[in-house]
Amino acid sequence: NAGVMQNPRHLVRRRGQEARLRCSPMKGHSHVYWYRQLPEEGLKFMVYLQKENIIDESGMPKERFSAEFPKEGPSILRIQQVVRGDSAAYFCASSPTGPATNEKLFFGSGTQLSVL
Amino acid sequence: SQQGEEDPQALSIQEGENATMNCSYKTSINNLQWYRQNSGRGLVHLILIRSNEREKHSGRLRVTLDTSKKSSSLLITASRAADTASYFCATDDIQTGANNLFFGTGTRLTVIP
Repeated sequence: NAGVMQNPRHLVRRRGQEARLRCSPMKGHSHVYWYRQLPEEGLKFMVYLQKENIIDESGMPKERFSAEFPKEGPSILRIQQVVRGDSAAYFCASSPTGPATNEKLFFGSGTQLSVL
Repeated sequence: SQQGEEDPQALSIQEGENATMNCSYKTSINNLQWYRQNSGRGLVHLILIRSNEREKHSGRLRVTLDTSKKSSSLLITASRAADTASYFCATDDIQTGANNLFFGTGTRLTVIP
């Protein structure tokens, strides 16, 4: 049973470009969470999705950031017109049922976004 | 901020010694979880302790929870070089009912062979 798969592992973008980060949850998991981690810091919650629905996007910036989890295919975190401050590691986690408060999360290895 | 804080920020010990990390949080919680992160990797769940539990064991791990002090500790006994990693506590928030976990800033543990 493959774990949570994220790709790419490393993504380099120039300022103003778009970044697309993909996450395939563990088989049987329909709940996906995106977190951002800056160097030497903990993880900051961004968004929680179930299939085809955004449940909680309270941690996601209102502009330039969007997320989706379609019926078929991976969850996508999209950052438009990236700026240097977007450089960070972005982690996806999944769980079989939600909310996250009552069970553990399974994390992917993350995507390291570097904005030049 | 609902984010927890781990203490110490960094800890260096000799192999075979015990390592103790502490976590303080600010909210009322349903449970508290500890995760481990190896450099450049995702987090791996270690243990979950519920608010009505005071202590929990898993192998070489021992977790305590004191809800009156809003604090938890993670003890790793007989440490090994492979235990070198960052350790994070994570909590929910009863008041907001937020659909996510709030992570602390982590303790970087180095176990010297």
